[in-house]
Parts: sequence; C-alpha cells; structure tokens
Amino acid sequence: GESVGLHLPTLSVQEGDNSIINCAYSNSASDYFIWYKQESGKGPQFIIDIRSNMDKRQGQRVTVLLNKTVKHLSLQIAATQPGDSAVYFCAESSNAGGTSYGKLTFGQGTILTVHP
Amino acid sequence: NAGVMQNPRHLVRRRGQEARLRCSPMKGHSHVYWYRQLPEEGLKFMVYLQKENIIDESGMPKERFSAEFPKEGPSILRIQQVVRGDSAAYFCASSPNQRSPGELFFGEGSRLTVL
Repeated sequence: GESVGLHLPTLSVQEGDNSIINCAYSNSASDYFIWYKQESGKGPQFIIDIRSNMDKRQGQRVTVLLNKTVKHLSLQIAATQPGDSAVYFCAESSNAGGTSYGKLTFGQGTILTVHP
Repeated sequence: NAGVMQNPRHLVRRRGQEARLRCSPMKGHSHVYWYRQLPEEGLKFMVYLQKENIIDESGMPKERFSAEFPKEGPSILRIQQVVRGDSAAYFCASSPNQRSPGELFFGEGSRLTVL
C-alpha cells in the first residue's frame, strides 16, 4: 500500500550543528506534507508544512525541501538545540477524491538527539 | 482557546474489559480524527468523524472498536473486550473543516495498557 518512510531511524548531533532529517513517500497523489515533532509522552506538534506546488519553505530555524521527482522530503533544522531532541515524523495527505486533509499517513519517525 | 483535550491520559485495563477514550476538540472544530500509535512506530489513522457522522473508518479494526461524535459532548473511542495488542497511545486531532491542512491539532493522547 501507500506509505511514507524515513531513511534514518536515529540522528545524533552536537548543539549548534545543523540537522537534516529525510523522508521518502510513495503516493504520487500526495499534495500536502507536514513535519511533526513529538516529545516523550506528548502528542505530535506541528513544525512546518509544504504543498506539492512548492519545493522549499522556510520557518523559524527550519526549512522543508520537497523533491517530487524522487518523492523525497527533508527537514533541516539550523543551529540545533538540546530542546530540539525529540522524534520527528513526516506525514502526507491528499484532498483527492474529497479525502480529508486530516487523514494523514505518517512515517516511522527519526529520533533526534542533540548533545550539549 | 483550549487545545484538544483527551482523557484519561492513562488507562489500565485487564484483558476482556472495555476501554473508553474521550476527546474534546478545539473550540470551533467540528472534525475529529483518531489515530493509534504503537510503541516505536508512527501514528496510524483510525477514523474520521464529524458531528453525529462517521465519515471514514477505513483504519478501524472490524471487531471490538467503535467511535462516535455525538451532537453534544466529546468524541468517544470505545474498545470492547480489550486484548494485550490494544496497548498503545491513542491520539485525537481536530480541525475546523476537511480542507484546511494547516489547521489540524493533536491532543496529548490516551495511553492504554492492557494487562
């Protein structure tokens, strides 16, 4: 079936470094992509999103890149801080056929650990 | 404006008992989604509801699981005759409509442990 998956399950970086988390997706109909951060014992927290008609979007210290040709999504975190330590999930959805954008397909997650 | 509220946050049940998980969406949100997260996995879609209607239950197990979102009160996810494999975190999310992808907010989850 359709799926969204991550290349690396864990990522360890030093405080101040930049982090890059990758994600591959397989559903060609996906037109909306989101990155979530999940801290231990909490719900997913929205970080940044991007529509399929864009290839780059920037937020505060974060950038999402979308390559539709190879169905690849990445999250870049600049000047990573210990508070960024969490599990990061990519997710995709589509409004095709009237499907709700709230019906998300999540990847497995990448554990980001930031060392002081 | 309070966020999505879920309760209980933690629930322990013995095999064969029933579990009821509640979700109050954000104010002004009439669309509710339930997701399940097994340990060390991503969230999996279960069901999408609007007030008094189940819109999409393609992710719900066929047996023992049911969901409702009544005209008044919270959305309820009900699991009958729980088994150990039901142990997971159950997350609720809400949105004001189905066409606003950037307006989906998750609750803190209900963690079910089946002994």
